[in-house]
Amino acid sequence: DSGVTQTPKHLITATGQRVTLRCSPRSGDLSVYWYQQSLDQGLQFLIQYYNGEERAKGNILERFSAQQFPDLHSELNLSSLELGDSALYFCASSVDGQGYYNEQFFGPGTRLTVL
Amino acid sequence: AQSVAQPEDQVNVAEGNPLTVKCTYSVSGNPYLFWYVQYPNRGLQFLLKYITGDNLVKGSYGFEAEFNKSQTSFHLKKPSALVSDSALYFCAVRDNWNDYKLSFGAGTTVTVRA
Repeated sequence: DSGVTQTPKHLITATGQRVTLRCSPRSGDLSVYWYQQSLDQGLQFLIQYYNGEERAKGNILERFSAQQFPDLHSELNLSSLELGDSALYFCASSVDGQGYYNEQFFGPGTRLTVL
Repeated sequence: AQSVAQPEDQVNVAEGNPLTVKCTYSVSGNPYLFWYVQYPNRGLQFLLKYITGDNLVKGSYGFEAEFNKSQTSFHLKKPSALVSDSALYFCAVRDNWNDYKLSFGAGTTVTVRA
């Protein structure tokens, strides 16, 4: 158990809908990262938050957004969902946002299926 | 830009034999290299990392990795593989040019047969 929690574990929804994925980092970790894992794209970095502020953006679509709250939990919002958004979404946390050498601890993921 | 290549989609070994999973990288600055393992329906687990210093890094579950700057490689090794090592292995890199992104390789599926 990494100490990172994600809810829900599974999410099934229809095209055009909006969903929210939630992540609680390990105790003491200030950084939260979101990743998307799919068969065709592999593991792709989406976005990072550090202590409530956006720190880095990766291959995140404009239909997707995220935020980190004062209690450091984070939410990833996916809107206008398309079939291609079906994937496993991981949250990870690490101690800090400026140290490139800190390993990230991954949650169990949320499997999103868009029908 | 930074990137990671894992040239083998699959690696098959017999239990008790040495296991090697290959990784090469490309970065603009100094590399920070990581190995993660993913078991079915689970999140990624950190195995080991190279930041600086000794080129041979020891990690969890008996794994180690050798950093080779001239060959830009960071191969994962285990002297004696176990059936329970069967999983998906990811190499990842970030460099020190103020890039917070962790770039992952495509992954290598390791199967250890009894």
